[in-house]
Amino acid sequence: GAVVSQHPSWVICKSGTSVKIECRSLDFQATTMFWYRQFPKQSLMLMATSNEGSKATYEQGVEKDKFLINHASLTLSTLTVTSAHPEDSSFYICSARDTLAGTGELFFGEGSRLTVL
Amino acid sequence: DQQVKQNSPSLSVQEGRISILNCDYTNSMFDYFLWYKKYPAEGPTFLISISSIKDKNEDGRFTVFLNKSAKHLSLHIVPSQPGDSAVYFCAANVKNTGNQFYFGTGTSLTVIP
Repeated sequence: GAVVSQHPSWVICKSGTSVKIECRSLDFQATTMFWYRQFPKQSLMLMATSNEGSKATYEQGVEKDKFLINHASLTLSTLTVTSAHPEDSSFYICSARDTLAGTGELFFGEGSRLTVL
Repeated sequence: DQQVKQNSPSLSVQEGRISILNCDYTNSMFDYFLWYKKYPAEGPTFLISISSIKDKNEDGRFTVFLNKSAKHLSLHIVPSQPGDSAVYFCAANVKNTGNQFYFGTGTSLTVIP
């Protein structure tokens, strides 16, 4: 099946620094990618929809200046957590849908665990 | 507002028996449903999907049933295997109108050898 890769899988940073997480579709093109955040024992929460070549669409309550999303190519979307604080510590997951296949199935990355000290 | 609900946070089943995971939704516009499996510290893995034009879809040991009138779907795993132990999420969306998938809170399945 299609593969979505996230990097890094685990990152620790100091409070106030910025962290970039990459999401790549390895064998398919994705005009749209999605970024989720998972809190412990809670459901995946959609943060934003990343659109290739245009601005991301953020869900209500998600600060777009805090979570910068760039979707520069059909296979890469990046999420940058700016001026990270301990409350930003979480598990971030991206997903993508094969633009050409049209099955509706979402392929997920492995997730990135962010710990802010 | 939780539009997709999984009311059982955990389930334990003996190896070889049937596992039944349940999911309820409130939005009658949902017409596409997915089940995902997630191991700790990994991304979810797609298991099986069902469109609202069907009431059943099978893939090997996994079968999803959809009851539209009750706004309920269930995932049956038979026979259950220890490797099936994971958290299972159901998700729903309105397939042709948007990208937003609404996820349930998950059910942690433990298959006892």
